Amino acid sequence: DADVTQTPRNRITKTGKRIMLECSQTKGHDRMYWYRQDPGLGLRLIYYSFDVKDINKGEISDGYSVSRQAQAKFSLSLESAIPNQTALYFCATESENTEAFFGQGTRLTVV
Amino acid sequence: SQKIEQNSEALNIQEGKTATLTCNYTNYSPAYLQWYRQDPGRGPVFLLLIRENEKEKRKERLKVTFDTTLKQSLFHITASQPADSATYLCAPWDNYGQNFVFGPGTRLSVLP
Repeated sequence: DADVTQTPRNRITKTGKRIMLECSQTKGHDRMYWYRQDPGLGLRLIYYSFDVKDINKGEISDGYSVSRQAQAKFSLSLESAIPNQTALYFCATESENTEAFFGQGTRLTVV
Repeated sequence: SQKIEQNSEALNIQEGKTATLTCNYTNYSPAYLQWYRQDPGRGPVFLLLIRENEKEKRKERLKVTFDTTLKQSLFHITASQPADSATYLCAPWDNYGQNFVFGPGTRLSVLP
């Protein structure tokens, strides 16, 4: 089993719909992250969480929200999806000052 | 504002040669910096971490240097192979925001 699992792997949704991307990890790490990746722009941080009670906005949090349901689970929601949120989304987990482990990504298309 | 630059968007080299990738950062003072490899459609995979008090780190055919005065990290792959073809990302640690910030990446192609 993968250390970090993202669901769904691919999703096409319509403008204005609410969508949730889920992430779970088996590493036992406290820190979890959500990134989006667009061609030529690299990985940009949306939200991050250092423990269940800690949620922080990243560089591009507008239009997104998150929920840390448990140490192992960190969900990203798009309340009202718009086409420019079409991107590849990655969840990652990390233990303090060590390497990050990434999920396989969710390819989201908003039409 | 904080900025990370990686030397070129794409780099082509011949098999067997040494690939050198550059990461420059401004308005950061990272306590450490990481390098990741990313294949198309896949999540980044950790390669190496180097701390600010380390000048050089090696792992098999990989070598990373970290010059905090120049605000630069160099990533070397010696005896490169076509299987090394991928995008390589540098990620300095943002002490203020307490998270990693990724550079745009360099797409390396090793030609047989």
